[in-house]
Amino acid sequence: DIVLTQAPLSVSVTPGESASISCRSSKSLLSSKGITSLYWYLQKPGKSPQLLIYRMSNLASGVPDRFSGSGSETDFTLKISKVETEDVGVYYCAQFLEYPYTFGAGTKLELK
Amino acid sequence: EVQILETGGGLVKPGGSLRLSCATSGFNFNDYFMNWVRQAPGKGLEWVAQIRNKNYNYATYYAESLEGRVTISRDDSKSSVYLQVSSLRAEDTAIYYCTRTLYWGQGVMVTVSS
Repeated sequence: DIVLTQAPLSVSVTPGESASISCRSSKSLLSSKGITSLYWYLQKPGKSPQLLIYRMSNLASGVPDRFSGSGSETDFTLKISKVETEDVGVYYCAQFLEYPYTFGAGTKLELK
Repeated sequence: EVQILETGGGLVKPGGSLRLSCATSGFNFNDYFMNWVRQAPGKGLEWVAQIRNKNYNYATYYAESLEGRVTISRDDSKSSVYLQVSSLRAEDTAIYYCTRTLYWGQGVMVTVSS
């Protein structure tokens, strides 16, 4: 199975500052079609996960452009610039390249 | 507006079975693969199963930890997907989400306890 390792597992950020979350894959997530199948989700307290970034760097519809995704074949970063109070929750990376689909352990973002 | 609504959860005794349903609307259901993902209390997300669409012969895939105990199915005429889970164990206690990757339902709670 593909293992996704997120770091840090928790982060405390002052509103208005930036935050970065890392996700490292045990295997390349670059498909033969040239698509990197790494996704980022945010799960706000008591809510379902919501898609932020798809295919490593594409912003999902309705997601503020404060969020951005980048990376290579195995190392990925979610950056949140100018963190706002509504960004609090747990961030998960996920791979949909091969079965079984897998998720990272999650990174909890809190405000200082 | 896309809507995904899971039903069928509840309290089940160990060894029992449950069938979860997921009704969708607002998108062309026939075009999409559908998944079930679960989340144990206070834990992370765990993919459970996927069913592909007709173009892919409704192929199904399962998490190894559940294989043999779960069956995913769909009814395109009802824009719905189902998850049958048998031989339930305490560790199957979780919120079960129906998802199209982009869209997620609100989830349904399954509690396995005597």
